[in-house]
Amino acid sequence: AQRVTQPEKLLSVFKGAPVELKCNYSYSGSPELFWYVQYSRQRLQLLLRHISRESIKGFTADLNKGETSFHLKKPFAQEEDSAMYYCALSTGGGNKLTFGTGTQLKVEL
Amino acid sequence: EPEVTQTPSHQVTQMGQEVILRCVPISNHLYFYWYRQILGQKVEFLVSFYNNEISEKSEIFDDQFSVERPDGSNFTLKIRSTKLEDSAMYFCASSVNYEQYFGPGTRLTVT
Repeated sequence: AQRVTQPEKLLSVFKGAPVELKCNYSYSGSPELFWYVQYSRQRLQLLLRHISRESIKGFTADLNKGETSFHLKKPFAQEEDSAMYYCALSTGGGNKLTFGTGTQLKVEL
Repeated sequence: EPEVTQTPSHQVTQMGQEVILRCVPISNHLYFYWYRQILGQKVEFLVSFYNNEISEKSEIFDDQFSVERPDGSNFTLKIRSTKLEDSAMYFCASSVNYEQYFGPGTRLTVT
């Protein structure tokens, strides 16, 4: 069975500081990894998908199969980045997402 | 940009009552899902639906739950006899090309 672990419930950083939100997964096959963001009172929004290798809103994430990690990074945090971030795993097209418990990012001025 | 919509945004019901949560997926999507999030817990998968049938369901999705796509646009989740522990945020999602897009959720409160 697949599992996603986000070890930090809350991460507080100052504006302009680097951000790293940790995500580790367990799955024996080749997973699809995603980051979703949920701003206050809004829906879950797809932020990143590992296969696209895009940078969205300055965030990047690299899939490290050796460490089974998919950490989310941003070099300089902005106040508007404050939100709940969820790492999620899928085992294939059309298949369910397995979510981590989420990390609340708080960017302080 | 098209979005998944859900109604109602908040539903309050008494224990033992039936509820139907409604979703309109994005029109060209082929896969549909329901997830739930109990307050303070993670988002959990309930069921996926493809080609007019359930493709996968979790252990949460017992006989009290059912899904239906009654027409070309709506996708519904029915809970036959609600329990207190069904109180949660219910999210509908639809997908194409591996990427799932979520609705805003329905907050279900069972009293």
